[in-house]
Amino acid sequence: SQKIEQNSEALNIQEGKTATLTCNYTNYSPAYLQWYRQDPGRGPVFLLLIRENEKEKRKERLKVTFDTTLKQSLFHITASQPADSATYLCALSNTGNQFYFGTGTSLTVIP
Amino acid sequence: DADVTQTPRNRITKTGKRIMLECSQTKGHDRMYWYRQDPGLGLRLIYYSFDVKDINKGEISDGYSVSRQAQAKFSLSLESAIPNQTALYFCATSDLWSSGDYNEQFFGPGTRLTVL
Repeated sequence: SQKIEQNSEALNIQEGKTATLTCNYTNYSPAYLQWYRQDPGRGPVFLLLIRENEKEKRKERLKVTFDTTLKQSLFHITASQPADSATYLCALSNTGNQFYFGTGTSLTVIP
Repeated sequence: DADVTQTPRNRITKTGKRIMLECSQTKGHDRMYWYRQDPGLGLRLIYYSFDVKDINKGEISDGYSVSRQAQAKFSLSLESAIPNQTALYFCATSDLWSSGDYNEQFFGPGTRLTVL
C-alpha cells in the first residue's frame, strides 16, 4: 500500500526565514498533490494543488515543487511569520477522487 | 465560516452504544467525505460519496456505516462503538473545480469522540 512521509520532527525557524517542509511517498504514482494547513482544534484548510506534469506552483509566499522521479514534494514558506505556525499536511491522489494524507509537520515560527 | 457544520462537536459514549455523527453543508457540493484523525496516523478516509446514490468505502470503513440523506447531508454511524474508535472525526466536501483548483476539500470543524 502507499506510504506518505512528512518531516517527523517539529520544525522551528526564525521569523523572516524560509521554511521548507517535505512530503515523500512510496508505492504510489499520484497525479495530484495537495497541501493543507491545520491549526489546533480545527479542520484542515486547503492551500495549494500541484499536478504531476507541473514542476512548481506559487501562491503569494508559498511555493510547492513536485518531483515524480524523487517521489517528493517540497513546500516552502518564504519570509515566514509567527502566524504561519501550524501543522501542514500533504495529500496525494492518482485519480483526484480519493486523497491519502500524510501525518503532517508541525511548524513553529519564532519571533 | 459555517459552510460545513458537524454535530455534535464533542461526544463521550460507552462501549457498545450506537452513535451518529452528522454533517451538513451549504456549499452546494456533490462530494462529501468522512475522515478520522489520530495522533501519529494522520487523516484517514472512512467513506466518501459523490452524490446521493453513490457511496464508497475508504481506507478504514470497518465498524462504520454512512447515509447520504440529501446532497447537503452525510451522516456517519458507529453501530457498536469500541474504544479504538476514539478519535477526531472530520467531514469534508468538494467539487471538482471549486475555486479553480481540482478537488479542493473544505473541512468541517470536527467532532471529538471518546468511547469509554
